[in-house]
Amino acid sequence: DSGVTQTPKHLITATGQRVTLRCSPRSGDLSVYWYQQSLDQGLQFLIQYYNGEERAKGNILERFSAQQFPDLHSELNLSSLELGDSALYFCASSVGPSRFHEQFFGPGTRLTVL
Amino acid sequence: AQSVTQLGSHVSVSEGALVLLRCNYSSSVPPYLFWYVQYPNQGLQLLLKYTTGATLVKGINGFEAEFKKSETSFHLTKPSAHMSDAAEYFCAVSGFNQAGTALIFGKGTTLSVSS
Repeated sequence: DSGVTQTPKHLITATGQRVTLRCSPRSGDLSVYWYQQSLDQGLQFLIQYYNGEERAKGNILERFSAQQFPDLHSELNLSSLELGDSALYFCASSVGPSRFHEQFFGPGTRLTVL
Repeated sequence: AQSVTQLGSHVSVSEGALVLLRCNYSSSVPPYLFWYVQYPNQGLQLLLKYTTGATLVKGINGFEAEFKKSETSFHLTKPSAHMSDAAEYFCAVSGFNQAGTALIFGKGTTLSVSS
């Protein structure tokens, strides 16, 4: 158990809908990362937050957005869902924002878009 | 920019045999390198990492990896495979600049272990 929690574990929805994925980082971790794992693209970085501020962006679609709240939990919002958005979404957290801070991964949220 | 190439999407070994999973990286800055393991329906678990210092890195579950700058490689090895090692393994390099400190992953290698 990494200490990172993600809810829900599974989500099934229809095309065109909007969903919110939630992540609670390990106690004391200030940085949160979101990654997408799909058969086509593999594991891809989406976005990073540090202490409530956006730190870096990866291959995140404009239909996707995220935020980190004052209590440090983070939410990833996916809208106008398409079949291709079906994937496993991971959240990771680390103590600090730099690359020598180890990232701890949550169990993931499996999103299925029908 | 950073990138990772994992050679072989699927590796099969017998129980007790040597495990060798290959990873080559590209990095414009001194790399931080990682190996993660993913068991079915689970998240990613860190096996080992190289940041600076000793180039032979030991990790959990008997795995180790050697950083070879001249070959831009970071291959993962284990002397004797266990059935419980069957999983998917990801090599990653830590990003820098535009990608912040995100991990950039290879496409993964599925390890199968037969008895």
